[in-house]
Amino acid sequence: ETGVTQTPRHLVMGMTNKKSLKCEQHLGHNAMYWYKQSAKKPLELMFVYNFKEQTENNSVPSRFSPECPNSSHLFLHLHTLQPEDSALYLCASSLSSIPGPSYEQYFGPGTRLTVT
Amino acid sequence: KNQVEQSPQSLIILEGKNCTLQCNYTVSPFSNLRWYKQDTGRGPVSLTIMTFSENTKSNGRYTATLDADTKQSSLHITASQLSDSASYICVVSEGNAGNNRKLIWGLGTSLAVNP
Repeated sequence: ETGVTQTPRHLVMGMTNKKSLKCEQHLGHNAMYWYKQSAKKPLELMFVYNFKEQTENNSVPSRFSPECPNSSHLFLHLHTLQPEDSALYLCASSLSSIPGPSYEQYFGPGTRLTVT
Repeated sequence: KNQVEQSPQSLIILEGKNCTLQCNYTVSPFSNLRWYKQDTGRGPVSLTIMTFSENTKSNGRYTATLDADTKQSSLHITASQLSDSASYICVVSEGNAGNNRKLIWGLGTSLAVNP
């Protein structure tokens, strides 16, 4: 186990549903990340949070809404998704989001999302 | 354009055999290079990280090499085991010290080790 947990592990939702993905890290890290992993594509960074503050949003559609209430928890709220949003959503954490030795990211197991 | 390309796309080997995975990158400026192992249904786990001045780094049966001049890296797996079946992803960190760095991810090589 990497110390980063994600729930649910699998999610099937219709295009009109609203759901949330949850990530929790038990490593005492200060930075948390959401990634999207689609078939035949490299990992895509979606959001970065550092000390609960969003520091990066890589032009992610507004149907994805992140929330970081504290340094240990990260949520991704989903609404009116499209079938092309089906993917593996990975959460990661690191001690620091500043480049350097503390930048090593630890990943959770991911949530496999299917949009029907 | 900053890119990371990996080869082969997929590989099948017999248990106990060695194999080498390749990573070519065009990322500039270069900061460091990581190899990750991703088991099916799991998130990526770091195997090694190499900086500009490092040529070789080992982690058990995994040995990574880096040639910063030709912008190539390889991951050599010795005496493969069934548990080595996974996707191996090369990631290059872009940027100079003090600047924001971006991680450029490769597509990965899917390795299957058969008994």
